[in-house]
Amino acid sequence: KNEVEQSPQNLTAQEGEFITINCSYSVGISALHWLQQHPGGGIVSLFMLSSGKKKHGRLIATINIQEKHSSLHITASHPRDSAVYICAVRNNNDMRFGAGTRLTVKP
Amino acid sequence: NAGVTQTPKFRVLKTGQSMTLLCAQDMNHEYMYWYRQDPGMGLRLIHYSVGEGTTAKGEVPDGYNVSRLKKQNFLLGLESAAPSQTSVYFCASRIHYEQYFGPGTRLTVT
Repeated sequence: KNEVEQSPQNLTAQEGEFITINCSYSVGISALHWLQQHPGGGIVSLFMLSSGKKKHGRLIATINIQEKHSSLHITASHPRDSAVYICAVRNNNDMRFGAGTRLTVKP
Repeated sequence: NAGVTQTPKFRVLKTGQSMTLLCAQDMNHEYMYWYRQDPGMGLRLIHYSVGEGTTAKGEVPDGYNVSRLKKQNFLLGLESAAPSQTSVYFCASRIHYEQYFGPGTRLTVT
């Protein structure tokens, strides 16, 4: 079993829909990261969480440390949100990554 | 600032050949990382460095060597390439808790 599990693997939505991507992990962590990988391959950091909730524009990330679970929400989804979203957990210098969720938002 | 750059962007090697991938960052970050990304799998850490002159093994270090002679550069070497090393390689640097990724190097070993 992978240490970081994401669901769903693939997600197709219509523009404007509310999106939720889930991440569960089985190891101790110092922080959890959400990353976005563009169709061209570039990876950018979206959030770093150690507790609670963070919001940036239409993106919201939450983490429940006790349940070892995090969610990434996208409100009012747009075709430009189409990308692979990656959950990663960090313990000091060791990073473990989920396999990613491929999101496609159709106009 | 250029951020994190990787050289080359693409490379095709024959089994047994050697090569070095270069990662450079101009943000004065202490921490640098090399990852590989394979289809259907998450990124996996190969080696990392917490500062100039230091390196450490990650999750999948076999078949790779690294060097960090200068703070801004982190080199990943393949001494004898194998088809199993066909992958996309990403370098990253970190300050505090945020990682900055390079654009990736697509390596094919035939």
